[in-house]
Amino acid sequence: GAVVSQHPSWVICKSGTSVKIECRSLDFQATTMFWYRQFPKQSLMLMATSNEGSKATYEQGVEKDKFLINHASLTLSTLTVTSAHPEDSSFYICSARGPRGAGDTQYFGPGTRLTVL
Amino acid sequence: AQSVTQLDSQVPVFEEAPVELRCNYSSSVSVYLFWYVQYPNQGLQLLLKYLSGSTLVKGINGFEAEFNKSQTSFHLRKPSVHISDTAEYFCAVSERGGSEKLVFGKGTKLTVNP
Repeated sequence: GAVVSQHPSWVICKSGTSVKIECRSLDFQATTMFWYRQFPKQSLMLMATSNEGSKATYEQGVEKDKFLINHASLTLSTLTVTSAHPEDSSFYICSARGPRGAGDTQYFGPGTRLTVL
Repeated sequence: AQSVTQLDSQVPVFEEAPVELRCNYSSSVSVYLFWYVQYPNQGLQLLLKYLSGSTLVKGINGFEAEFNKSQTSFHLRKPSVHISDTAEYFCAVSERGGSEKLVFGKGTKLTVNP
């Protein structure tokens, strides 16, 4: 149980284009999802907290207009990187707050490798 | 605010040897504690967690960790490692009853050599 998927697993795009990444909780409902960014050989940096039916809460220093987050249902959150540039190339990982009783446990997706040319 | 310190960035060990990956945290409030493992180019997999109760927590793949409140530590241990345990290990904390945000340490790369 508590499986989280991401799509796509990797994407290559040209500079200036927008890329959408999906995060789904497959066997549970997640009112809260999180988006992280991970640079090579570094830890995860929380970008934003996504709450179903409301606006996402962004961490300090993360551009809201560049990283658009939509949590339209209890099982799906999307991250859109708008007008992507090479410096946006990174590994993006989502997580979902687990089912009731999981005690604040987050379950992570497999990640999406974004490469901007 | 919370912070997590993983004292060792890299830990090389031989197969079947015991291993301990150290984690210390700082927080002004009570916390939940987690260990996650990340294999190359993959997301994070939960190894174990401490929410309350017994301070010795057993997880998957033979790992265990002990919560020590006085030393603000949550070290991860395994009595005998395998080649397949080679991965990056992250310690994380979240505020009990708080914002649910996870604060991660910088990670420890465990390399198990034959």
